[in-house]
Amino acid sequence: EADIYQTPRYLVIGTGKKITLECSQTMGHDKMYWYQQDPGMELHLIHYSYGVNSTEKGDLSSESTVSRIRTEHFPLTLESARPSHTSQYLCASSEWRTGGRETQYFGPGTRLLVL
Amino acid sequence: AQKVTQAQTEISVVEKEDVTLDCVYETRDTTYYLFWYKQPPSGELVFLIRRNSFDEQNEISGRYSWNFQKSTSSFNFTITASQVVDSAVYFCALRQNYGGSQGNLIFGKGTKLSVKP
Repeated sequence: EADIYQTPRYLVIGTGKKITLECSQTMGHDKMYWYQQDPGMELHLIHYSYGVNSTEKGDLSSESTVSRIRTEHFPLTLESARPSHTSQYLCASSEWRTGGRETQYFGPGTRLLVL
Repeated sequence: AQKVTQAQTEISVVEKEDVTLDCVYETRDTTYYLFWYKQPPSGELVFLIRRNSFDEQNEISGRYSWNFQKSTSSFNFTITASQVVDSAVYFCALRQNYGGSQGNLIFGKGTKLSVKP
């Protein structure tokens, strides 16, 4: 099981501010993910990474950006927060295994409220 | 195309009742993996089970059991003698095997289970 940490857990911020949501994992997993989840429950993949210096866009278009400079760290940045960015953001990681046996493990999430 | 359908949006039961959460999937792959996750009110997703398409044996873990049937493309989850702590949103997911999204999960929309005392 992975240890994944997300900070902050809760964030209330004004429109136009730049924010960075932190995600770190201690298991050396290759792949990392960011999901956005609105109160209606559905999970949407917005970014993922296969490893250092790799970033890919997910299924849901997002104004956020990500970076992967270190294996254990996968921060998400919003340059100018807007009320439409209000949501829960979940980070996950998985260890690449042949045959598709990898499992994604999730962090506790960051609940973002943009006023 | 790959898809996961959880037709039950919300279920409410009384403690000690058994409850089954349905999951139907679509895929053209012959080898695939299915998952269940639990999301309690605190918000994190907790991994419950991973099952590959070659293993159709039902699995039991305490009060939890999973019924995988390839013939009906279903991977249903049953909680026996439900407890208040089982109250959560439960997600079924299918792993994508090919293309640029290989390894990513396709999630159902989730089923919210409320267990009342």
